[in-house]
Amino acid sequence: NAGVTQTPKFQVLKTGQSMTLQCAQDMNHEYMSWYRQDPGMGLRLIHYSVGAGITDQGEVPNGYNVSRSTTEDFPLRLLSAAPSQTSVYFCASSYSSGSEQYFGPGTRLTVT
Amino acid sequence: EDKVVQSPLSLVVHEGDTVTLNCSYEVTNFRSLLWYKQEKKAPTFLFMLTSSGIEKKSGRLSSILDKKELFSILNITATQTGDSAVYLCAVLYGGSQGNLIFGKGTKLSVKP
Repeated sequence: NAGVTQTPKFQVLKTGQSMTLQCAQDMNHEYMSWYRQDPGMGLRLIHYSVGAGITDQGEVPNGYNVSRSTTEDFPLRLLSAAPSQTSVYFCASSYSSGSEQYFGPGTRLTVT
Repeated sequence: EDKVVQSPLSLVVHEGDTVTLNCSYEVTNFRSLLWYKQEKKAPTFLFMLTSSGIEKKSGRLSSILDKKELFSILNITATQTGDSAVYLCAVLYGGSQGNLIFGKGTKLSVKP
């Protein structure tokens, strides 16, 4: 199993550009989530999904969209990038909403 | 407001020392408490604690939860330089959602 994979590893965007961060898992996990990690702030939940076709907002959802058309994939879309979205983004998945979450390797995003 | 507080924020020890990391929480709809290790990349799962007073152990690491006093500790005995990392505490909360709220982490540095 590859586990949780994320692409790209690094990305630089200009303010106003849009892009999609990809996340995939091959463990048949029902629950998937996106976090951002900023210095001094810890990991904060952006969006999550408890199964295909079901998504919901986390603590910091503004400026981001998600969809879950398959069990395996959970892309995160930045609609119009802002410097405040400069961060490291982690995708995570778990077998169910009550079990431990496993993290992908992260995407370091810089918005200039 | 839900919160998870870790202490100390940073710690420097020498190889062979024993360390105790603390995590206290105030979270509604508590389900479990998790510990992760982060070494400049993705957090890796260490322990998940759901019941009070039952120690979980993996090699030199151990952890225990006190649901009455709302805290957990992570112990590392005979520390090695490879233990240097940020240790994250997170609380799994909610009903069907199963989301995580993280503390800001304890940065452990082990000197030879």
